[in-house]
Amino acid sequence: GAVVSQHPSRVICKSGTSVKIECRSLDFQATTMFWYRQFPKQSLMLMATSNEGSKATYEQGVEKDKFLINHASLTLSTLTVTSAHPEDSSFYICSAVNGQHNQPQHFGDGTRLSIL
Amino acid sequence: DQQVKQNSPSLSVQEGRISILNCDYTNSMFDYFLWYKKYPAEGPTFLISISSIKDKNEDGRFTVFLNKSAKHLSLHIVPSQPGDSAVYFCAASVYGGSQGNLIFGKGTKLSVKP
Repeated sequence: GAVVSQHPSRVICKSGTSVKIECRSLDFQATTMFWYRQFPKQSLMLMATSNEGSKATYEQGVEKDKFLINHASLTLSTLTVTSAHPEDSSFYICSAVNGQHNQPQHFGDGTRLSIL
Repeated sequence: DQQVKQNSPSLSVQEGRISILNCDYTNSMFDYFLWYKKYPAEGPTFLISISSIKDKNEDGRFTVFLNKSAKHLSLHIVPSQPGDSAVYFCAASVYGGSQGNLIFGKGTKLSVKP
């Protein structure tokens, strides 16, 4: 089946640090990648939609200057949390689709971000 | 305002019996529904989906039923196996197919006891 790799799986860093999370589709070309965030006991919430070669589309309430998304190729998207603060601590997870009709999103294993 | 609701946070079933996981939604524009399974420390894995033009989709032990008038869908697992123990997420899409923004429920933790 389709495989999406997300790295790193866990990050612990000091407040003010910028953190980059990578999302790779390993066996298919991902025309679109999605970035979600999940707070404890809450559902996955979409942060942004990323299409290869174009600017990401952010959901309402998500700061695009805070969460930088780059989708430079059909197999890689990155999310950079800039100047992270404790309130940014969360579970971040990406998904990817191959552009074919009615194909499901395939998810990475997520990144647990803890800001001290 | 939660558009996709999974009102049961947990469910416990005996091995070999049927597991029924429920999901309600409020947005009548949703036209595609998916179920994902998630094990601890892993991302959600796609399980089964259904288009709004259908009322049932079956794949092996897994069947999803859609009742549009009630805005309700359910996932049936028969027979349940201990390996099915996981958190199950219901998700819906408003843009057609699975390409668009997925709205997730909070999940139901299924425990299948041997």
